[in-house]
Amino acid sequence: GAGVSQSPSNKVTEKGKDVELRCDPISGHTALYWYRQSLGQGLEFLIYFQGNSAPDKSGLPSDRFSAERTGGSVSTLTIQRTQQEDSAVYLCASSPNRGTEAFFGQGTRLTVV
Amino acid sequence: GQNIDQPTEMTATEGAIVQINCTYQTSGFNGLFWYQQHAGEAPTFLSYNVLDGLEEKGRFSSFLSRSKGYSYLLLKELQMKDSASYLCAVRDRGGSQGNLIFGKGTKLSVKP
Repeated sequence: GAGVSQSPSNKVTEKGKDVELRCDPISGHTALYWYRQSLGQGLEFLIYFQGNSAPDKSGLPSDRFSAERTGGSVSTLTIQRTQQEDSAVYLCASSPNRGTEAFFGQGTRLTVV
Repeated sequence: GQNIDQPTEMTATEGAIVQINCTYQTSGFNGLFWYQQHAGEAPTFLSYNVLDGLEEKGRFSSFLSRSKGYSYLLLKELQMKDSASYLCAVRDRGGSQGNLIFGKGTKLSVKP
């Protein structure tokens, strides 16, 4: 596609359930980022993938959060045993090798009830 | 650690000029970015500085001083549609890629 695609756009889940959020980056982009944004707040870094290098997981808030990137393209962010404080918009971005700016998807709004 | 500071909120008048400051302390530096984010939307790229000095792009300009760990975004001839959050971000290490760390954003309100 022309831009970064995220699905679903909205997700409501019950506390304790697992959720998977998907990000389809711009074709050919080697860098992929996941951020979390709570209402009215800035972007909180979660995880960063760069090509075949080991991902930078330093932003993951707990071991309930994990992410993978298969074949250097699509990425899935998994949250296990969701809690109400996990409610936020999860944004994915990608950037090209030797490129500059990152391009963002429209995000997944996660609500844990 | 990584620290990026910018004012939480600013207010300006339509037609005026506003300067949004950003200071940073990061483990490495490979470029500073400004993004615009309207409420409920994804951030969109505005400007990029990697060398000291001023980059101008239409009504928007961005300045960088690496020695001072300081940048600003200058918006001229403000329009109502410029009401948005402005996010400062630093790419924190060298090479062609690096992690992108964001500040908390500055919410700008433009009033008639």
